[in-house]
Parts: sequence; C-alpha cells; structure tokens
Amino acid sequence: GQQVMQIPQYQHVQEGEDFTTYCNSSTTLSNIQWYKQRPGGHPVFLIQLVKSGEVKKQKRLTFQFGEAKKNSSLHITATQTTDVGTYFCAVFHGSSNTGKLIFGQGTTLQVKP
Amino acid sequence: DSGVTQTPKHLITATGQRVTLRCSPRSGDLSVYWYQQSLDQGLQFLIQYYNGEERAKGNILERFSAQQFPDLHSELNLSSLELGDSALYFCASSVVVGYVNEQFFGPGTRLTVL
Repeated sequence: GQQVMQIPQYQHVQEGEDFTTYCNSSTTLSNIQWYKQRPGGHPVFLIQLVKSGEVKKQKRLTFQFGEAKKNSSLHITATQTTDVGTYFCAVFHGSSNTGKLIFGQGTTLQVKP
Repeated sequence: DSGVTQTPKHLITATGQRVTLRCSPRSGDLSVYWYQQSLDQGLQFLIQYYNGEERAKGNILERFSAQQFPDLHSELNLSSLELGDSALYFCASSVVVGYVNEQFFGPGTRLTVL
C-alpha cells in the first residue's frame, strides 16, 4: 500500500522564522491530507490535496502537492508560538465512505519566543 | 471541540485484563474510524465502521475487536492486554465532500497497561 515518509522528525525555530515539513512517497499518491496535533491534543484536519502541482494557502500556511504526486510539503511563514505541535501528512486509501488514513511519522515543531 | 466524544479519558489497567473504549461520532456522521497512537508506531489505523458495518481493517490485533451500534456509537474492545498496548486510542468520524474525506478526531483515550 501507499506509505509516506515525513521529514524532518523535529524542528526547532525562532519565532518569526519559516518552517517546512516534507512528505515523500516512492509511489504515486491519489491524495495527501495534512493534520495538526497540538501537544496533548488530537489531530485536526487542515487540508486535502488531490491534483498534480496543486498549491493551496491558508493564511501563513502553504501546502503543495508535487507534479509527480509523490511528494508534498507544508510551509509556514513567520512562525508563531501558536504553531507549536506535530504536523502529519496522511494518505486516504479508499473511496467515499470506506477506507483508512495512512499517516506519516509527523514533524514536531517547537517555536522559541 | 470536534463533536466526537470518547470515554473514558484515561484508563489504567493490568496485563491480561480487558477494557472497552467508547466513541460517539459527530451528529449525522455514519462512519467511525479507530486509530492507535504510540511513540514507536506513530498513528496507526485499526478499523472502520460505516452505519454498523465493518468497512476497512488495518493491522488490528486479534485480541482487539470493535463494533458499531444502531445509535452509531462504537466500542473498541481490547483483551488480554499487554504492556505494549499502552497508547492513545483515537476515534474519528468523517464527512465526505466531493473528493475530500475529512476526519474529525475525538479527544482520545489514554490507556496505560501496568
């Protein structure tokens, strides 16, 4: 099945610096989802990308899906302490109401004020 | 607050015991997914139910079982517990809009096996 590798595992940045996490697969992905999990919290859906080369923005967050649909990235501009947490990419295997999410290992972001 | 509820929040038990974790999906959602989160394995899909029917299965151990009831709440039963079963167990419900299967996670149940 489709698996995704996520790097880096940890990232420490100074508040105001940018942050990027990458998700890579050896096979073509049908979709990629991104979730954020705050410390002590639960995963929260951020976005889903399905199209080759797709780029979507949510305020300071930019999500990209590679042209070959084998990689994806999440970029945060000018990090804030509220960005702290673990960011997961995931692939939904299935169709409509049947399937499962396969998660990457996550990137834990620490932001120093 | 995602609208998905899970009980209990914490569970401490001993090896060999059996526990039941409960999940209620968001109002109107028919799907329930169960995930296990541990430090070494990360977030792992266990099983999915849709309107009472099992629809997808992950690497769920034979000691684990689940069901979804007519009122759509779901229970995950873990038996013959081992130390390695200590983890955070999440359930999620989902809404499908177009191509997007957006999952809403509950707050989780933290299981500690001593």
